[in-house]
Parts: sequence; C-alpha cells; structure tokens
Amino acid sequence: AQKITQTQPGMFVQEKEAVTLDCTYDTSDQSYGLFWYKQPSSGEMIFLIYQGSYDEQNATEGRYSLNFQKARKSANLVISASQLGDSAMYFCAMREGWSSNTGKLIFGQGTTLQVKP
Amino acid sequence: DGGITQSPKYLFRKEGQNVTLSCEQNLNHDAMYWYRQDPGQGLRLIYYSQIVNDFQKGDIAEGYSVSREKKESFPLTVTSAQKNPTAFYLCASHAGGERREKLFFGSGTQLSVL
Repeated sequence: AQKITQTQPGMFVQEKEAVTLDCTYDTSDQSYGLFWYKQPSSGEMIFLIYQGSYDEQNATEGRYSLNFQKARKSANLVISASQLGDSAMYFCAMREGWSSNTGKLIFGQGTTLQVKP
Repeated sequence: DGGITQSPKYLFRKEGQNVTLSCEQNLNHDAMYWYRQDPGQGLRLIYYSQIVNDFQKGDIAEGYSVSREKKESFPLTVTSAQKNPTAFYLCASHAGGERREKLFFGSGTQLSVL
C-alpha cells in the first residue's frame, strides 16, 4: 500500500534561514507524483510544488525546492530565506494510481513549522 | 476570481442529527473531492466525484453521503451514523488533464458535536 511519512511533528527556524522538511514515501509504482501543500491557520490548503517520478531535475518554485532522492524514496521540501509568513503546517502528498490521473492524494501527517523573528 | 467556496465555516451537530456541508466551485472542474482532517493529522478521502451524477467512496465513507447533481456543487451530508464527526472538512476540485495538475481546495468547514 502507498504511504507517506513525515517524521517531524514540529520544526523551528530562524527568520531568513533555510529549513528542510522531511518526507519519505512508499510505493510499488514506477510512475508517481509528489506534492507539497502549506496549510496556514486559516485552514485552506495552498499548493507549493510538484515532482514527477520521471522528472530529471529537482522541482523549484521561488523559495521552495524539492530534494528528490528516488532511490531513498524521499522528497524533502527546502524553504530558503524563511519568512514569518511561512509559519504553517506543511503536508507531503502522493498521487495514488499514476495511470488514473485523479485528484486522489495520500497525505502525510504534516509538519508544523514556526519561524522565529 | 475562480475558486471553491465552502459553507458554513463552523457547524455544530446535535446527537442524532444529519448536517450538510456545502461546496461550490466556479473553476469548471469535472472532479470534486471531500477530505477529512483530524487534529494534527493528514487528510483522508471521504468521497469523490469525477463527473456529474456519479461518485465513488473514498477510504472513510461510512457515515457520510454525497450528491453531484450539478457540476458546480458537491454537498456532503454527515449522517447520524457517523459516530465521531468532529473534524475539519475540506472540499477540493481537480481539472484533470496533466498528471502534474494540482488539487484546488476550499477554506474548510469545522464541524463540532454539541
């Protein structure tokens, strides 16, 4: 069965520093997609970044980058130059069933990030 | 602006009562989803619909029901059979097409039991 594991319930980072949020996954599929979402205290889920299993380069979106290590089945999110507004819960998710191309995602438990001024 | 609207933001349920959570989207997406989030945990799929008048159970469908009579709307009913309904409920939609296409989410409904 497919599974996402986020082992860091909570993290602290100093403003302007970089932080890495860990995500490991388990799947027997050769083709899959990995997503990171941010959930601020308001509750909505905000899409940050996507990595396909066959993408040759690690994904980047502004201050967000994904450290994708396929052999280790890890997809860690790196946030550079942290800002106070980055304080939120972060979820790693995997698309279930690559061939079906649906919005059915499997989510990890989440990591709460707090940015200190 | 296109998006997903969930209402109400907060909802209280009395024992034995059915309650309905509203989800409306104007993104013209075919597929819509309901996820449940318990405190400190990830999201779990309740129901989803990939086309009007059709829907499928997700991982935790027991005690819930849905309908999809219009493309824009996908209401979720929490029935009295759901013994532990207190949670944060998120509605989402998906455009299909590209595999990297993301889910769009509403702002959620917090359901509590009185």
